[in-house]
Amino acid sequence: EAQVTQNPRYLITVTGKKLTVTCSQNMNHEYMSWYRQDPGLGLRQIYYSMNVEVTDKGDVPEGYKVSRKEKRNFPLILESPSPNQTSLYFCASSLSTGRFSPLHFGNGTRLTVT
Amino acid sequence: GQQVMQIPQYQHVQEGEDFTTYCNSSTTLSNIQWYKQRPGGHPVFLIQLVKSGEVKKQKRLTFQFGEAKKNSSLHITATQTTDVGTYFCAGPMGSGNTGKLIFGQGTTLQVKP
Repeated sequence: EAQVTQNPRYLITVTGKKLTVTCSQNMNHEYMSWYRQDPGLGLRQIYYSMNVEVTDKGDVPEGYKVSRKEKRNFPLILESPSPNQTSLYFCASSLSTGRFSPLHFGNGTRLTVT
Repeated sequence: GQQVMQIPQYQHVQEGEDFTTYCNSSTTLSNIQWYKQRPGGHPVFLIQLVKSGEVKKQKRLTFQFGEAKKNSSLHITATQTTDVGTYFCAGPMGSGNTGKLIFGQGTTLQVKP
């Protein structure tokens, strides 16, 4: 089944403890992106990747890192999480750059930083 | 910076009533996409509009792209409880082959049976 898989679904952590949220897609998509969703703010883009080894900042990249060493994986890294990073995170992928291709979203990761 | 604004933020309707959400961009868009997110779920792609003035229909849903390609709307005729969720518009930002896709804040639709 074609899908975007995120893990974990739920994560509670403490301030400053490094964490990684994994994202994997099995559709051979070139484009991958991370979004965070907060009430009243919609979906805000954190980072995106046009292809392997190509990543770029979205609108809210501060406090996050990403890597794209393989086409299928696009992990989101929080080196030193803070409470303002408590949010619902979505990974998404599309066939090409996203401009003319629909995004396929993962099921989301709900992160709480205390 | 470039923005995509969506109104209203919330809408409560009686089942059978119509519903419309509006999306406005500060800049001309090459295309606009619409997504639906059910409560507790993830956004799911509905449709993409590319041409100026384009109108597309999916059963009771009608999507329009403005002539200036700066605004769009989603209209649902005779809402049903299955229409409950948050509807997002999204458009690519910047020039060239940008990977930046900006989402509106979303309109959350509640339908009373």
